[in-house]
Amino acid sequence: DQQVKQNSPSLSVQEGRISILNCDYTNSMFDYFLWYKKYPAEGPTFLISISSIKDKNEDGRFTVFLNKSAKHLSLHIVPSQPGDSAVYFCAASAGSGTYKYIFGTGTRLKVLA
Amino acid sequence: KAGVTQTPRYLIKTRGQQVTLSCSPISGHRSVSWYQQTPGQGLQFLFEYFSETQRNKGNFPGRFSGRQFSNSRSEMNVSTLELGDSALYLCASSFFALKETQYFGPGTRLLVL
Repeated sequence: DQQVKQNSPSLSVQEGRISILNCDYTNSMFDYFLWYKKYPAEGPTFLISISSIKDKNEDGRFTVFLNKSAKHLSLHIVPSQPGDSAVYFCAASAGSGTYKYIFGTGTRLKVLA
Repeated sequence: KAGVTQTPRYLIKTRGQQVTLSCSPISGHRSVSWYQQTPGQGLQFLFEYFSETQRNKGNFPGRFSGRQFSNSRSEMNVSTLELGDSALYLCASSFFALKETQYFGPGTRLLVL
């Protein structure tokens, strides 16, 4: 059972436009969410996170939105740059007592110059 | 500060053999988690260690095992390798694996023939 889902395996966006990556989760106990970016032959690198007590967190060109009632989060990248082309994973933590993170299957973003 | 290191980076084994992978966390991090990444499956959680104790385990067969040493370095062992074990194995470190960022190593690419 995939508790964290990224239903779009790939996304193409023109340079300078907004990229929106989506993630859905099923477990209402999840209370901390992260986005990672992964280039080929490298490990994932942390982008941005959000706690369930917030509905938005912003860091430069990256903004994460959390809709707890819909169990949905999204990552917005504005403006998109060719260097943003990578696979993006969302991950969720169920908080104390679990000590593990559940990852989605990833969305491959391609930013076209 | 040095990042998470994993050795070896690439490995080729044959079915039935066993393999040991190594992970050195960021200095000061006591939690080490292991993940398996295969195409279309995202990052699947294997297990997490903290202070030499396994605190959580994913849904993998008993052929997959791990341990952590007093210096927080961790090893993962896979016995009786199967073709389906071919994957990228990633380790990630953090202070407590509790609502915080995990930092990933570059991974070990295992190919089972």
